[in-house]
Amino acid sequence: DAGVIQSPRHEVTEMGQEVTLRCKPISGHNSLFWYRQTMMRGLELLIYFNNNVPIDDSGMPEDRFSAKMPNASFSTLKIQPSEPRDSAVYFCASTGGGIKTQYFGPGTRLLVL
Amino acid sequence: AQSVTQPDIHITVSEGASLELRCNYSYGATPYLFWYVQSPGQGLQLLLKYFSGDTLVQGIKGFEAEFKRSQSSFNLRKPSVHWSDAAEYFCAVGLSYNTDKLIFGTGTRLQVFP
Repeated sequence: DAGVIQSPRHEVTEMGQEVTLRCKPISGHNSLFWYRQTMMRGLELLIYFNNNVPIDDSGMPEDRFSAKMPNASFSTLKIQPSEPRDSAVYFCASTGGGIKTQYFGPGTRLLVL
Repeated sequence: AQSVTQPDIHITVSEGASLELRCNYSYGATPYLFWYVQSPGQGLQLLLKYFSGDTLVQGIKGFEAEFKRSQSSFNLRKPSVHWSDAAEYFCAVGLSYNTDKLIFGTGTRLQVFP
């Protein structure tokens, strides 16, 4: 299995631009998580999907952030408009079948200028 | 509320020395327990996990951890540290009811001197 796939791996954009991060979970997994990691705030859970349905989005910072999971094999995290304080590494993770173990993707390093 | 505490933000050891990273959790029942490692520029990788049974669990890269219910702890150990073990280590707790969500600690950064 290829593991969790994230794209792009690096993104540099200017303040005000729309940013879309993508994630492909491990095949067969039915839970997907988006995390954000910064030096100041550490690892934060943004949103958690189960069977393509958002279960917990209490970590989404504000309305500029949105996440979708149109099917079991694809999810997006969108920031519109982006701000410099959104600069961070964004991780996607997946799990399923009651195994509880989350498998992380390599992350997307976002820099907003 | 459920929580995970990693009291040591940064630990420095010499190569070949033993290592123990501390993790304490707050939860009413027996949780699922995990240790993850993150090397610089990488995602989190599972080192080991405890669900039930033997309270001493073995993981990859020579790591082990012991679940102590009376102390609400799940400390990570390695008898002899290698320079390649330098990384950030995260303890995580999974709740026993119907959720896949994990609660992560704030991490411990390990530095290894030659």
